[in-house]
Amino acid sequence: LAKTTQPISMDSYEGQEVNITCSHNNIATNDYITWYQQFPSQGPRFIIQGYKTKVTNEVASLFIPADRKSSTLSLPRVSLSDTAVYYCLVGGSGSARQLTFGSGTQLTVLP
Amino acid sequence: GAGVSQSPRYKVAKRGQDVALRCDPISGHVSLFWYQQALGQGPEFLTYFQNEAQLDKSGLPSDRFFAERPEGSVSTLKIQRTQQEDSAVYLCASSLRAGHFDEKLFFGSGTQLSVL
Repeated sequence: LAKTTQPISMDSYEGQEVNITCSHNNIATNDYITWYQQFPSQGPRFIIQGYKTKVTNEVASLFIPADRKSSTLSLPRVSLSDTAVYYCLVGGSGSARQLTFGSGTQLTVLP
Repeated sequence: GAGVSQSPRYKVAKRGQDVALRCDPISGHVSLFWYQQALGQGPEFLTYFQNEAQLDKSGLPSDRFFAERPEGSVSTLKIQRTQQEDSAVYLCASSLRAGHFDEKLFFGSGTQLSVL
């Protein structure tokens, strides 16, 4: 199973850009990197997914270096409503069990 | 339906009781997953269905846990003789295709189980 490592928590202020890095040293060749967001009392929600280089959608960007051993989720101009837990997942080429969430990163956005 | 629906939203059980948790996935989604999330932790994989077939149950913590999806749509997670350590949020997720574990997962809001 591809293990991921993320910071436990991060603080930011409204309007700032936030970058959360995930380490996944033993990522497999066919694995994808996926990020989810979870608010209290809700299930995780898909944010973005990538395989290599850079992916951007309407809410975030995902940067993946050439060796794919890490990835960085970038949230531009965060607001208070972005306060949540963010999970990095690595998988897709193996079994369902391989989709391990880890403990995630608690992002707190301050006014 | 518009999303993944789980019921009940909250369940309180006395130790030793049996409970059944229901998941209605998005219509047409082939894959269905159950996760257990303890307080302050990330979701932990329990089991995976492809249509009605339970292809992976390696995450079920004991033989007191049982899941089924008899018609390939609604799924039920049953916990027999509940213990205090079973207290957690149980999340259900579905995805469109079979065996594509890089696909986006759609989660329900979960059932919060409290065993007293």
